[in-house]
Amino acid sequence: GENVEQHPSTLSVQEGDSAVIKCTYSDSASNYFPWYKQELGKRPQLIIDIRSNVGEKKDQRIAVTLNKTAKHFSLHITETQPEDSAVYFCAASYNYGQNFVFGPGTRLSVLP
Amino acid sequence: NAGVTQTPKFQVLKTGQSMTLQCAQDMNHNSMYWYRQDPGMGLRLIYYSASEGTTDKGEVPNGYNVSRLNKREFSLRLESAAPSQTSVYFCASRSDTDTALGPQHFGDGTRLSIL
Repeated sequence: GENVEQHPSTLSVQEGDSAVIKCTYSDSASNYFPWYKQELGKRPQLIIDIRSNVGEKKDQRIAVTLNKTAKHFSLHITETQPEDSAVYFCAASYNYGQNFVFGPGTRLSVLP
Repeated sequence: NAGVTQTPKFQVLKTGQSMTLQCAQDMNHNSMYWYRQDPGMGLRLIYYSASEGTTDKGEVPNGYNVSRLNKREFSLRLESAAPSQTSVYFCASRSDTDTALGPQHFGDGTRLSIL
């Protein structure tokens, strides 16, 4: 089955700097890769996703890149703000199946 | 449009008691999921349901049962609660048609404490 690794487990950055979180997956059949943000005491919420036919996707300060050959994808947050502090989860999934596997999470702290 | 609704939001049980966590979605999704999240940890899949009438075990199914009552509702039952089942439980649903594979949408969670 699919296995998703995520690094780093914790990340601290200064406000205004960029943050990068990386995930690797094992199943080459995976073709859908969402990222979730979970604030303390709240539910995970989708922030951006990418499908395997696209190499990069941007939404304002957030971007995701996908390297299918190397089987890894990354979340990039630019101009970080204190409200970006949260736990971020990546996931990998594929069509026609129920396989939807989450990474272990990255705790991001943006220091003022 | 409420999305995914979970009840109750909080519950305290004594060891050995039973209870059912309720989940309903109004997005007409086929797939529904139950996860548990322990403090500082990731999401672990308990059970999922690909469609009405079908359920399958996830990573940590022991001590739990589920029922997919209809397309909207997916319940999780603890038959004899144990302290190790103290956790936050999230229900999620997902669109997974051939042309509309999408993300999981989560409910607000049920915070369950077992004494």
